[in-house]
Amino acid sequence: QSALTQPASVSGSPGQSITISCTGTNSDVGGYNYVSWYQQQPGKAPKLIIYDVSYRPSGVSNRFSGSKSGKTASLTISGLQAEEEADYYCSSYTSSNSYVFGPGTKVTVL
Amino acid sequence: QVQLVQSGAEVKKPGSSVKVSCKASGGTFSSYAITWVRQAPGQGLEWMGRIIPLFGTTYYAQKFQGRVTINADESMSTAYMELSSLRSEDTAMYYCARSPHPTNQYFFDYWGQGTLVTVSS
Repeated sequence: QSALTQPASVSGSPGQSITISCTGTNSDVGGYNYVSWYQQQPGKAPKLIIYDVSYRPSGVSNRFSGSKSGKTASLTISGLQAEEEADYYCSSYTSSNSYVFGPGTKVTVL
Repeated sequence: QVQLVQSGAEVKKPGSSVKVSCKASGGTFSSYAITWVRQAPGQGLEWMGRIIPLFGTTYYAQKFQGRVTINADESMSTAYMELSSLRSEDTAMYYCARSPHPTNQYFFDYWGQGTLVTVSS
């Protein structure tokens, strides 16, 4: 199963909105509404921030939102804050009863 | 509150095997699935496989088929991941993570702290 495609880096100023894309195939992103997003701070385990394309777990800021169109899912961070500088990974369930991750996107707050 | 606590760091020789444990507390162990994910230094996340303790069923990434074994001891609320025929490219942080339902929740809501496995001669 090939990895999903994400931009290597995205940057924005505090208060701006940024969007990270995650492109797959009809066997993963395009075939299921089972895309999740994880935030990983340096030296820490990943943290779930979006599941099932657009749902936020309890305790996650509502400035994080997710969506999907066809084979591309997106994560938007509104009102970007310094503490959101981290790596972000998308993940999707696949038709092989497995999971696949994207390569990660480094978010920089300027 | 669910917690996943993993075993400590390991240093292994090429060709050997490593077994990492993941002990769960909070919740009912048999009511969820455990997945193993690894992350090589400076690299992204890689799904290795998962187990549904309730059914004892396992699923492995094709890349690791034949080299990885995932099992669980429900009485100890502990899952294990064993990787054999280690090579230097297996040097990575290994994480366990929970899906909150055995079969119809497709995300990972709690993660272990990670176990660093170093393969070096």
